[in-house]
Amino acid sequence: EDQVTQSPEALRLQEGESSSLNCSYTVSGLRGLFWYRQDPGKGPEFLFTLYSAGEEKEKERLKATLTKKESFLHITAPKPEDSATYLCAVPSNDYKLSFGAGTTVTVRA
Amino acid sequence: DAGVIQSPRHEVTEMGQEVTLRCKPISGHNSLFWYRQTMMRGLELLIYFNNNVPIDDSGMPEDRFSAKMPNASFSTLKIQPSEPRDSAVYFCASKQGAHSPLHFGNGTRLTVT
Repeated sequence: EDQVTQSPEALRLQEGESSSLNCSYTVSGLRGLFWYRQDPGKGPEFLFTLYSAGEEKEKERLKATLTKKESFLHITAPKPEDSATYLCAVPSNDYKLSFGAGTTVTVRA
Repeated sequence: DAGVIQSPRHEVTEMGQEVTLRCKPISGHNSLFWYRQTMMRGLELLIYFNNNVPIDDSGMPEDRFSAKMPNASFSTLKIQPSEPRDSAVYFCASKQGAHSPLHFGNGTRLTVT
């Protein structure tokens, strides 16, 4: 069965303090890995898709990387507005996404 | 683009009552998904439709849950009768194509007392 594990569960950062979130997965035949951001009271918002080991995607202070067994979401010089829960997900087939439990990031000014 | 629209945003009901959640997917998207999110279990896929046809309902917890998609712009998730353990946030999501990302609505927070 496909599994997605995220760590840490929670991350408290000072503004400007860079860090990384981890998403490890076991899936038969990777069809891509998705990163989402979820703010309180809202639905997950799509950030990135990564398809192959070595691929990197960037958006503002966020950079996602992918290896054969895990993905990292690097937050560079975070700001308070980067506070959110970050979810990763992998497809089990063409349509079904399995989500990790998420990492809740809190950035203090 | 208005995004995926869900209604109501909040629903409070008593145990045993029928609950209907509604979803309007993004125009042009041919796949629609219903997810449930709780602190204990995270995001769980309940059912998904492709071109208005239910493809996989293996995540629907019990016969008390049913979902319909009468046309490409509307779907409902019904719980009858509701129970306190059904309390959760229910999300609808849609996408176009097998490898495109899911777009989520802002959810319906259901509380069953």
